[in-house]
Amino acid sequence: TQLLEQSPQFLSIQEGENLTVYCNSSSVFSSLQWYRQEPGEGPVLLVTVVTGGEVKKLKRLTFQFGDARKDSSLHITAAQPGDTGLYLCAGIYNQGGKLIFGQGTELSVKP
Amino acid sequence: GAVVSQHPSWVICKSGTSVKIECRSLDFQATTMFWYRQFPKQSLMLMATSNEGSKATYEQGVEKDKFLINHASLTLSTLTVTSAHPEDSSFYICSARGGGWGYGYTFGSGTRLTVV
Repeated sequence: TQLLEQSPQFLSIQEGENLTVYCNSSSVFSSLQWYRQEPGEGPVLLVTVVTGGEVKKLKRLTFQFGDARKDSSLHITAAQPGDTGLYLCAGIYNQGGKLIFGQGTELSVKP
Repeated sequence: GAVVSQHPSWVICKSGTSVKIECRSLDFQATTMFWYRQFPKQSLMLMATSNEGSKATYEQGVEKDKFLINHASLTLSTLTVTSAHPEDSSFYICSARGGGWGYGYTFGSGTRLTVV
């Protein structure tokens, strides 16, 4: 059974603070994705990382894929209330395979 | 871009009845579709994987006789919750992936099922 450990599961911070969300597994991913989900909606893809050591930036969001392709992180700089939501990492364990989600991180950014 | 339409967006049914949820890929052929279940404040749990024209593969602990999945065409997959009970109340989300390798998993907007 593939397990994807995501932490922290809950995070409440003030506007302007930085934060990092972690996603870890004992298995190697062929690729990993990060999603954001609003209540009552399906998840929306933020980024896909494929290569070990890869770093991708999306405005104030920085995504990193571990060298061994077993872990990933999402760093948000200067968080804003609009960043509030559920952030999900999801791993693809073999090419063309199923997408397995981590537990999710419920982020609340207070003004 | 790829669009997946999921219907209904919400449904209320009585205990013991069955409910069907549809997932359609509107502008691409979905060779594989995935069904997830999500409880409040929790992540998506994969229930089953369906490939067009073949039987669905269920994850461990998911009752295949209770959650019937049909993927009869390249654009439509359905999930039927049979003999629904209040504990089946949840948010159900489908995801579709087109033929050929790629990283595109397109999600539907989800169905909120409430069993009373």
